[in-house]
Amino acid sequence: SAVISQKPSRDICQRGTSLTIQCQVDSQVTMMFWYRQQPGQSLTLIATANQGSEATYESGFVIDKFPISRPNLTFSTLTVSNMSPEDSSIYLCSVEDPSGIYEQYFGPGTRLTVT
Amino acid sequence: GIQVEQSPPDLILQEGANSTLRCNFSDSVNNLQWFHQNPWGQLINLFYIPSGTKQNGRLSATTVATERYSLLYISSSQTTDSGVYFCAVDPQGGSEKLVFGKGMKLTVNP
Repeated sequence: SAVISQKPSRDICQRGTSLTIQCQVDSQVTMMFWYRQQPGQSLTLIATANQGSEATYESGFVIDKFPISRPNLTFSTLTVSNMSPEDSSIYLCSVEDPSGIYEQYFGPGTRLTVT
Repeated sequence: GIQVEQSPPDLILQEGANSTLRCNFSDSVNNLQWFHQNPWGQLINLFYIPSGTKQNGRLSATTVATERYSLLYISSSQTTDSGVYFCAVDPQGGSEKLVFGKGMKLTVNP
């Protein structure tokens, strides 16, 4: 398994500002994933982040709005830019089991409220 | 893309009752996972079960990949079982990305 931490755990931000969310894993992993969960909804994949390459974004998500960094094999950041109330969500990062099993583990999430 | 349907969408139980949650998926998958999301939003891994049957305490799960469904059984439910249960699949030919069902909200009353 993997132990994942996220910072901040929650935040309240004003519209038009940006927030960077950090995700730290306790072991080296190839792929990290960022998901969004809007209130009362399921999880939707935003992008996949591989170390040393550009993140791959899913349909409906763009780099200008959700820039991602992946500087090494244990860390990634997701920035939510120019926020609006519609960005109020839980943002979660996940990784695959570093032992090679394709089981994904999730961080505790960042609960974002935009006013 | 692949469709993942969970049923029932909501369930209310008395403590001690049993329940079965179902997950249907529309195409072949590499992997299937069951999660429990607690009231604080944390996703707890319950089962990694692309096929076969597994048991963990009061919970068990069965995936019949050839018929494209999975079942999660909760026996002798407790109030701490309350929350949202998600089924998520990694479609064949994908890139280890999980596609989630809409979830099932379980409420266990004392």
